[in-house]
Amino acid sequence: DIQMTQSPSSVSASVGDRVTITCRASQDITTWLAWYQHKPGKAPKVLIYATSSLQTGVPSRFSGSGSGTHFTLTINNLQPEDFAIYYCQQANSFPLTFGGGTKVEMK
Amino acid sequence: QVKLVESGGGVVQPGKSLRLSCAASGFMFRIYGMHWVRQAPGKGLEWVATVWSDGTNIHYVDSVKGRFTVSRDNSENTLYLQMNSLRAEDTAVYYCARDLDGGHYFDYWGRGALVTVSS
Repeated sequence: DIQMTQSPSSVSASVGDRVTITCRASQDITTWLAWYQHKPGKAPKVLIYATSSLQTGVPSRFSGSGSGTHFTLTINNLQPEDFAIYYCQQANSFPLTFGGGTKVEMK
Repeated sequence: QVKLVESGGGVVQPGKSLRLSCAASGFMFRIYGMHWVRQAPGKGLEWVATVWSDGTNIHYVDSVKGRFTVSRDNSENTLYLQMNSLRAEDTAVYYCARDLDGGHYFDYWGRGALVTVSS
């Protein structure tokens, strides 16, 4: 199974900041990676798929990069609605696996 | 618009069974792969099962193999998860999710159904 490791587990930030979250895969997944935003009591929302493709309707302040085993999600100009938990997910092979999550909190 | 609505959650004793349903609308259900993903209390997301559009290609996480069965009724636009021999560690919110363009990503999710396994 492919293990996905996210860091940091939490980050404190202010509106307007840039936030970077890292995800490492235990083996090469080329670019088969997605990022999700999850708020309590709501359905998760896909932000980025195939490492860097922005899902329709997602603001352009979200961006993704990487390949192989190292990936990043960057949020530029953090907005109040961006405080949430973010997960990476590998889609290279079954079982599909998620990272442990990164909580973006208000400083 | 795309809508996924889970139902069938509840409280069940260890060893018992429960069936979740996910009613889909707003898209051509029969051509999309579908998934179940769960989140245990205080934990992260965990993929549970996938069934492809025609129902013949199915995958499970190891922890539910032999106990859970995913199926679909394309004539009723409904996805199912039959859960047998339930354990305390199966306690979670269960989400159904639509596959994104065959890529094994999840583009639309339901609001979730809570399953609590407790004596």
